[in-house]
Amino acid sequence: GAGVSQSPRYKVAKRGQDVALRCDPISGHVSLFWYQQALGQGPEFLTYFQNEAQLDKSGLPSDRFFAERPEGSVSTLKIQRTQQEDSAVYLCASSSDGGRQGDYGYTFGSGTRLTVV
Amino acid sequence: AQSVTQPDIHITVSEGASLELRCNYSYGATPYLFWYVQSPGQGLQLLLKYFSGDTLVQGIKGFEAEFKRSQSSFNLRKPSVHWSDAAEYFCAVGPAGNNRKLIWGLGTSLAVNP
Repeated sequence: GAGVSQSPRYKVAKRGQDVALRCDPISGHVSLFWYQQALGQGPEFLTYFQNEAQLDKSGLPSDRFFAERPEGSVSTLKIQRTQQEDSAVYLCASSSDGGRQGDYGYTFGSGTRLTVV
Repeated sequence: AQSVTQPDIHITVSEGASLELRCNYSYGATPYLFWYVQSPGQGLQLLLKYFSGDTLVQGIKGFEAEFKRSQSSFNLRKPSVHWSDAAEYFCAVGPAGNNRKLIWGLGTSLAVNP
């Protein structure tokens, strides 16, 4: 597609509920990132994929968070047993690869705003 | 520790006035540097980036930024602000290489008075 698409745009979950957030990157983009942005904060890195390989998951805050990209395109971020502190905007970004400097600036989706009540 | 500091949480300027948003970073080596803008309900949009070479970089929407190694700064400027520039501005740094994990500042909220 023309841009990075994230769904749903808004999600309200009851505490303890599992949620799944979807990211459709730009077609052909090899790299995909998930970031978490709490209210009034800058984005915080969660995880990074190159194709289907999850190369860095150091930012996932707990083992309740899980991300996958099984075919190297669409990615899903899953949060199990949601807690109130999980409330944030979850941003997905993609970029073309090759380590080329011109490709470094990636394209962000509009995010999914998760509210845990 | 790696960090990005945006000292100004909120700035208000009059339309047509000049603008400078500050960004300081702490990083092990000279990083790649970025400015992004986020409008309400919108995704983050890249304004400009610095990798190497000329320390004054031009971006979209009339923005520019200057990298000063000695001051570990990458301040964003615009000579004449438009009302549509009201938004949240984020400075970010990242490593050279394939894992482009960015470290972000907390952002500066810009308001523009008519």
